[in-house]
Amino acid sequence: AQTVTQSQPEMSVQEAETVTLSCTYDTSESDYYLFWYKQPPSRQMILVIRQEAYKQQNATENRFSVNFQKAAKSFSLKISDSQLGDAAMYFCAYRSYNTDKLIFGTGTRLQVFP
Amino acid sequence: DTEVTQTPKHLVMGMTNKKSLKCEQHMGHRAMYWYKQKAKKPPELMFVYSYEKLSINESVPSRFSPECPNSSLLNLHLHALQPEDSALYLCASSQLTGPGELFFGEGSRLTVL
Repeated sequence: AQTVTQSQPEMSVQEAETVTLSCTYDTSESDYYLFWYKQPPSRQMILVIRQEAYKQQNATENRFSVNFQKAAKSFSLKISDSQLGDAAMYFCAYRSYNTDKLIFGTGTRLQVFP
Repeated sequence: DTEVTQTPKHLVMGMTNKKSLKCEQHMGHRAMYWYKQKAKKPPELMFVYSYEKLSINESVPSRFSPECPNSSLLNLHLHALQPEDSALYLCASSQLTGPGELFFGEGSRLTVL
């Protein structure tokens, strides 16, 4: 069975600085998708960024980028120029090609200080 | 329209009550999901509907009864719940092809007295 591990329960960053959130996963599959979701205190979970396992190029969305290391089964999220609105719980998630199931990690709470 | 709408936002019910949570999406997604989320925990999958048919039931107690009347609507019927069922219930939808990222609603906060 696939598992997703986020080893940092909490992280903090100064506004305008850069922070990296870690995620590792375990799978025997070769084709899958990886996601980072953000859940602010207002509750709604929103997609931050996604990566398809067959793509070697790391995904980027504005200030958010990932470091995808397929062999190491690692999928970290880098947030550049952190803003107060980035404060939230961040979940790493895994989905294989042939299932409807999204598997979440335990989450990392990010605090952003002015 | 990229919204998943859930009602009600808050629900308080007694252990003998019958209530329902509702979810609606108009993105043409053919997969819909119910998740349960406790405070400071990740969402836990409860049910998945694919093409309006139940495809995954994560061994959820029968006091939770899902229903998918059509491709846009998803209900969760609640009956004889326990206080430990108090949680945030999230609905989500996704396409069944491609990356299939989930779009989540804001959730329904359920309190069982």
